[in-house]
Amino acid sequence: DAGVIQSPRHEVTEMGQEVTLRCKPISGHNSLFWYRQTMMRGLELLIYFNNNVPIDDSGMPEDRFSAKMPNASFSTLKIQPSEPRDSAVYFCASSLREGSTDTQYFGPGTRLTVL
Amino acid sequence: QKEVEQNSGPLSVPEGAIASLNCTYSDRGSQSFFWYRQYSGKSPELIMFIYSNGDKEDGRFTAQLNKASQYVSLLIRDSQPSDSATYLCAVIYAGNNRKLIWGLGTSLAVNP
Repeated sequence: DAGVIQSPRHEVTEMGQEVTLRCKPISGHNSLFWYRQTMMRGLELLIYFNNNVPIDDSGMPEDRFSAKMPNASFSTLKIQPSEPRDSAVYFCASSLREGSTDTQYFGPGTRLTVL
Repeated sequence: QKEVEQNSGPLSVPEGAIASLNCTYSDRGSQSFFWYRQYSGKSPELIMFIYSNGDKEDGRFTAQLNKASQYVSLLIRDSQPSDSATYLCAVIYAGNNRKLIWGLGTSLAVNP
């Protein structure tokens, strides 16, 4: 079975540009998570969805960030306009809804560099 | 503010030794505890989870949970160079909408 798929794997852009990151969760998984990882702050949950519905977006840094999940097999994270401080690795993860012991499976990540 | 604390390391052990990784958490209302491994440049992958006090063993890995002390640990027996990675501790708190709260990770180096 394919794991979580993310694209692009690397993105280099200039400050002020729009960036769109894409994720395809594991088929049959009902929950999807977007994380950001930096050396200083570690893994930070940005937003997560259950059955395509956003449940908690309290981790979204500011209005420049937005996320959508139009169907069970696709999600996007958009940054507009991008800033150098957005440079990080962005991970998408998915899980089955199995209560408090469910496992999150991570995609390979998108390394974003904003110049 | 719910927190998960880990010693950043690096923790260095010789090949064949036992590596002990520790994690403390701030809120007693916790439910489940996860250990993930992350190789440099890769994504986190689950090693094991534990939700009851005591020990849980899986091959060379043992997770230990002490809710009274708010402490969870991961022991790696017969450490191998391939175990060299960052180990992330994550906690789900009661009523937390299944959000994982993550520690910053402990870097482990197993020396041949």
